Amino acid sequence: EPEVTQTPSHQVTQMGQEVILRCVPISNHLYFYWYRQILGQKVEFLVSFYNNEISEKSEIFDDQFSVERPDGSNFTLKIRSTKLEDSAMYFCASSPSGDEQYFGPGTRLTVT
Amino acid sequence: AQSVTQLGSHVSVSEGALVLLRCNYSSSVPPYLFWYVQYPNQGLQLLLKYTTGATLVKGINGFEAEFKKSETSFHLTKPSAHMSDAAEYFCAVSSLMDTGRRALTFGSGTRLQVQP
Repeated sequence: EPEVTQTPSHQVTQMGQEVILRCVPISNHLYFYWYRQILGQKVEFLVSFYNNEISEKSEIFDDQFSVERPDGSNFTLKIRSTKLEDSAMYFCASSPSGDEQYFGPGTRLTVT
Repeated sequence: AQSVTQLGSHVSVSEGALVLLRCNYSSSVPPYLFWYVQYPNQGLQLLLKYTTGATLVKGINGFEAEFKKSETSFHLTKPSAHMSDAAEYFCAVSSLMDTGRRALTFGSGTRLQVQP
């Protein structure tokens, strides 16, 4: 069964550094999403992406965040200058129709 | 605005007992509702969904949920718990955005323990 994959599984970075989190969505899906879950808190929506552009973003998704689908298969989340409070589990999801979403296993980002 | 409330952050049942995980939602438009399960160190797996039509929906692993509009609820049930059901369960509501695409709003999760 097709799955969403994410790399790396765990990323440790120093405050102020740039990180890129990578996702490979399910191949025939058209809608892509990033969510995050700070330890002990709810899963929160960050951004959705459709037809090669951002379709919606939350207030969390400020100028330090960006997303890209560089080659038709990968979907990346870049954080330009990481802060301690960016430490979280980041989940990528994809959807064939914009309704049910299928999640990857997540990338645990630790900012020190 | 959409929101989800999951009553009980921890639920413990005996193996073979009924599982009932509660979810109430708030939505200004007809919602799409979902239950996801998260096993330790894994991602979120879709258990079941309600979009339109039949209000009792069946999912994987013997789980089902009933959409009750009058109660704004979407409780998850399973007649007989199995040890392998121990996990964290998240209820989510799908928001209709201006673009028509839907972002998920999650509840805070319920950790299910199954006692032998």
